[in-house]
Amino acid sequence: GENVEQHPSTLSVQEGDSAVIKCTYSDSASNYFPWYKQELGKGPQLIIDIRSNVGEKKDQRIAVTLNKTAKHFSLHITETQPEDSAVYFCAASLTQGGSEKLVFGKGMKLTVNP
Amino acid sequence: DGGITQSPKYLFRKEGQNVTLSCEQNLNHDAMYWYRQDPGQGLRLIYYSQIVNDFQKGDIAEGYSVSREKKESFPLTVTSAQKNPTAFYLCASSIGPGYYGYTFGSGTRLTVV
Repeated sequence: GENVEQHPSTLSVQEGDSAVIKCTYSDSASNYFPWYKQELGKGPQLIIDIRSNVGEKKDQRIAVTLNKTAKHFSLHITETQPEDSAVYFCAASLTQGGSEKLVFGKGMKLTVNP
Repeated sequence: DGGITQSPKYLFRKEGQNVTLSCEQNLNHDAMYWYRQDPGQGLRLIYYSQIVNDFQKGDIAEGYSVSREKKESFPLTVTSAQKNPTAFYLCASSIGPGYYGYTFGSGTRLTVV
């Protein structure tokens, strides 16, 4: 089955710096890669996603890159702000026995220091 | 506004008791999911349902049960057979197979006392 590894597990940056979160996956059939942001005590929220037919996608200060050959994808946050502090999860799609679901990484806690 | 609602937000259970966590969505989504979140463990799939009256076990289904009698509702029962039920439980929904964007609820924190 699919295995998603995420690193680092924690990251602390100064406000205005960039942050990068990296994920690898094992199933070459995966074709959808979303990123979620989870604030304390809340459910995760989708912030950006990418499908396997593109290599990069941007939305204001966030961008995601995908390298299907190497089976890794990354989230880039530029000009970080204190409100970016949260836990970020990557995920990869898995089709198994006719059912489709997401497999999540273990998450990365980002702290942006003012 | 459309969304997904979990209740209660906090739940306390005595050892040996079954408890049911509620999950309701008005997004007209076909698929619904239950995840368990423990510190440092990420999100682990308990059960999922891609259509009414059908559901499948996830990676950690032992000690849990679900039903999907209505499209809008996917309750999770934590039974006394679940040896370590204290955790944060998240419900999610998606349009269905072929579209993977999940909408999550705000979670239920279950504590065994």
